[in-house]
Amino acid sequence: TQLLEQSPQFLSIQEGENLTVYCNSSSVFSSLQWYRQEPGEGPVLLVTVVTGGEVKKLKRLTFQFGDARKDSSLHITAAQPGDTGLYLCAGTLGGNAGGTSYGKLTFGQGTILTVHP
Amino acid sequence: DAEITQSPRHKITETGRQVTLACHQTWNHNNMFWYRQDLGHGLRLIHYSYGVQDTNKGEVSDGYSVSRSNTEDLPLTLESAASSQTSVYFCASSDWDRGTAYEQYFGPGTRLTVT
Repeated sequence: TQLLEQSPQFLSIQEGENLTVYCNSSSVFSSLQWYRQEPGEGPVLLVTVVTGGEVKKLKRLTFQFGDARKDSSLHITAAQPGDTGLYLCAGTLGGNAGGTSYGKLTFGQGTILTVHP
Repeated sequence: DAEITQSPRHKITETGRQVTLACHQTWNHNNMFWYRQDLGHGLRLIHYSYGVQDTNKGEVSDGYSVSRSNTEDLPLTLESAASSQTSVYFCASSDWDRGTAYEQYFGPGTRLTVT
């Protein structure tokens, strides 16, 4: 059982469309990150959210952390072919920033996004 | 510029052989991590280290070992390679600062095939 469930697993859309990727859990996370990974490369950090209800924007990307800190979403407006890639959410369990969870991330399965020209 | 490198980028080995994957970072980060990535599983933590001489097991540590003799390097050893260990392996590092400890920087990965 995956601690962080991402949906959808695959997303194929046309350039200009909007999309939302979801990351859900029954557990509380003290922080949550979104990464983007291109073929043959390692994941690259896009954003970190730490406060329940927090919303962050990065150009056409909007990230939201749920009020209860159990879920997050990534919304892309007017998708472009350059947005194509694997999107991963990752979180740190619990409200304890130290202890056994210190620095450790739990990853979702990922969402493979393809944006067609 | 600071970076994190992995070598080799591709490796083919036979079942039963010992294999070591290298990871080197110039960020001067205390925390280092090894993950494997398989389709449908995202990234799963193998081993991690919070500093020199410190190593800890992750969720899928069986058949793997690490050692940390300096800040820059965390080599991953497969004691006796198995076909189930065919995967893409990523090394990552993060700062000791509690505000940024969860922001990990990843290497480019090593694709390992065990035949």
